[in-house]
Amino acid sequence: KAGVTQTPRYLIKTRGQQVTLSCSPISGHRSVSWYQQTPGQGLQFLFEYFSETQRNKGNFPGRFSGRQFSNSRSEMNVSTLELGDSALYLCASSPAGRGGRTYEQYFGPGTRLTVT
Amino acid sequence: AQSVTQPDIHITVSEGASLELRCNYSYGATPYLFWYVQSPGQGLQLLLKYFSGDTLVQGIKGFEAEFKRSQSSFNLRKPSVHWSDAAEYFCAVGSTSGTYKYIFGTGTRLKVLA
Repeated sequence: KAGVTQTPRYLIKTRGQQVTLSCSPISGHRSVSWYQQTPGQGLQFLFEYFSETQRNKGNFPGRFSGRQFSNSRSEMNVSTLELGDSALYLCASSPAGRGGRTYEQYFGPGTRLTVT
Repeated sequence: AQSVTQPDIHITVSEGASLELRCNYSYGATPYLFWYVQSPGQGLQLLLKYFSGDTLVQGIKGFEAEFKRSQSSFNLRKPSVHWSDAAEYFCAVGSTSGTYKYIFGTGTRLKVLA
């Protein structure tokens, strides 16, 4: 099976702009999670989607949003970019089903976002 | 509050030496437990997982971990470290029911001396 793919891999944006990142999960996986990783804050949970529904959300401002499509592909959007949004954004897919039972997560290579 | 603690931010070991990375968790019940490894600039890769049963679990790359309920710990071990093991290691806990939740520790960066 193909792994988790994320596009683009690298992105440079200017403060105030918006950005959309894309994630294609492993075939058959319906759960997709997003994380922000920075040297100072470590790995921080953004949100998780299952069957197009957001099941959980981390402590991020409303500028960070996401969605999941019927084919389980997911996008996250960051509006009004700030310098502090520079980070590695990781997407992970999981065979998790309905309910709160978790399974292992499979990560993509990430999108490196630089805000100038 | 639910949390995962990895007390060691950095660990340095010599190649061939044994390794133990610590992980403690705080959770209402016994959660599912995971260890991941991340090489620089890469995504995370699952090393091993614990759902139930035997408290000593084997993973990839020669790693193993032991779940100790009384200590709320899930420490990662390897008998002989290779230079290629240098990376960052993350412990994570996952919910078993209720609200879907996945919590990562802050990571331990492993350096291996030749």
